[in-house]
Amino acid sequence: QQQVKQSPQSLIVQKGGIPIINCAYENTAFDYFPWYQQFPGKGPALLIAIRPDVSEKKEGRFTISFNKSAKQFSLHIMDSQPGDSATYFCAARKTSYDKVIFGPGTSLSVIP
Amino acid sequence: DAGVIQSPRHEVTEMGQEVTLRCKPISGHDYLFWYRQTMMRGLELLIYFNNNVPIDDSGMPEDRFSAKMPNASFSTLKIQPSEPRDSAVYFCASSLLAGDNEQFFGPGTRLTVL
Repeated sequence: QQQVKQSPQSLIVQKGGIPIINCAYENTAFDYFPWYQQFPGKGPALLIAIRPDVSEKKEGRFTISFNKSAKQFSLHIMDSQPGDSATYFCAARKTSYDKVIFGPGTSLSVIP
Repeated sequence: DAGVIQSPRHEVTEMGQEVTLRCKPISGHDYLFWYRQTMMRGLELLIYFNNNVPIDDSGMPEDRFSAKMPNASFSTLKIQPSEPRDSAVYFCASSLLAGDNEQFFGPGTRLTVL
């Protein structure tokens, strides 16, 4: 049972473009939503995270938009660079329970 | 700190053999997680520990898989007997307390079962 859905599965954009990765969840008990970035041959690493009491969070070129009523959130990468090419995982977690539920991942390629 | 350490980085074995994967979490972290990553199934949580005690092993695929954490600085994931469908990258991660704490992943062990 997939508790966190993610799309698209893969994405190719040109340098400078704004890739958008979308995620959706069903469980309203989730109240913490991290995004992880994974480069080939490496383990995932936390990129940015948001709580549902804010609608947007920005860190550098990375922005999370959150729509609590729709139970959806998305990652935008401004002015994307070839170095952003990686797999991105959205995730969700209930703070009263330790487990993080990961989405299936999006493979992003930024071409020069 | 050196981060989460996993060994071996690569393991090639034959079907039926026992495989042991090792993990050293970041010092001071109370939680340790074992994940499996495949193209078909993505990133799956197998088991996690809190203060060396297994909390949730519902992701362990079957009895052939077992995990231990004898002390705060060491954990093992064992597969006996191994099967070709166990081929995957296995990650260990650790974190501080519960709540919003970031999980720090190790570099992974790429397991190939022939």
